[in-house]
Amino acid sequence: GAVVSQHPSRVICKSGTSVKIECRSLDFQATTMFWYRQFPKQSLMLMATSNEGSKATYEQGVEKDKFLINHASLTLSTLTVTSAHPEDSSFYICSARDGVSGSPEQYFGPGTRLTVT
Amino acid sequence: AQRVTQPEKLLSVFKGAPVELKCNYSYSGSPELFWYVQYSRQRLQLLLRHISRESIKGFTADLNKGETSFHLKKPFAQEEDSAMYYCALGQGAQKLVFGQGTRLTINP
Repeated sequence: GAVVSQHPSRVICKSGTSVKIECRSLDFQATTMFWYRQFPKQSLMLMATSNEGSKATYEQGVEKDKFLINHASLTLSTLTVTSAHPEDSSFYICSARDGVSGSPEQYFGPGTRLTVT
Repeated sequence: AQRVTQPEKLLSVFKGAPVELKCNYSYSGSPELFWYVQYSRQRLQLLLRHISRESIKGFTADLNKGETSFHLKKPFAQEEDSAMYYCALGQGAQKLVFGQGTRLTINP
């Protein structure tokens, strides 16, 4: 149980375009989802916390107008990278909490590698 | 403020040797501590949580509130233990705070 999927697993886009990444909890209801960014051989950097039905909470230094997060249902959150630039190329990972358990434990998706050319 | 410190960025040991990955935390309340592992080209996955006091893949971790530590230990390292290990702290509905991670390499 507790599986989180991400789509796409890999995407290449041109500079200036927007890209949407989906994160789904497959067998549980995720009241809270998280979006991370991971640089090669480095730790995860939390970008934002997404609560179902409300606005996302962004970490300091993360541009909310550039990284649009929507969490419209208990099983789906999306991250849209708007007007992407090469410096946005990275590995984006989502995770989800099981809202029923009350535990802070997070279940992670496999990640999406974004390359902006 | 919540903080998790993993002092070793890299750790290399020989197969069969004991392993200890250090984790120290700062938190004013009663946190939950976790160890996550990321094998090469795989997603981050939960290895241990302190509340369950279990041993997974031979690894154990004991929460020491006096020393504010949650070190991960294994008596005999195996090559398949090579991975990135992250210590994390959380409570209730709050976000998890991750350490910087330790890359463990087991040499044959």
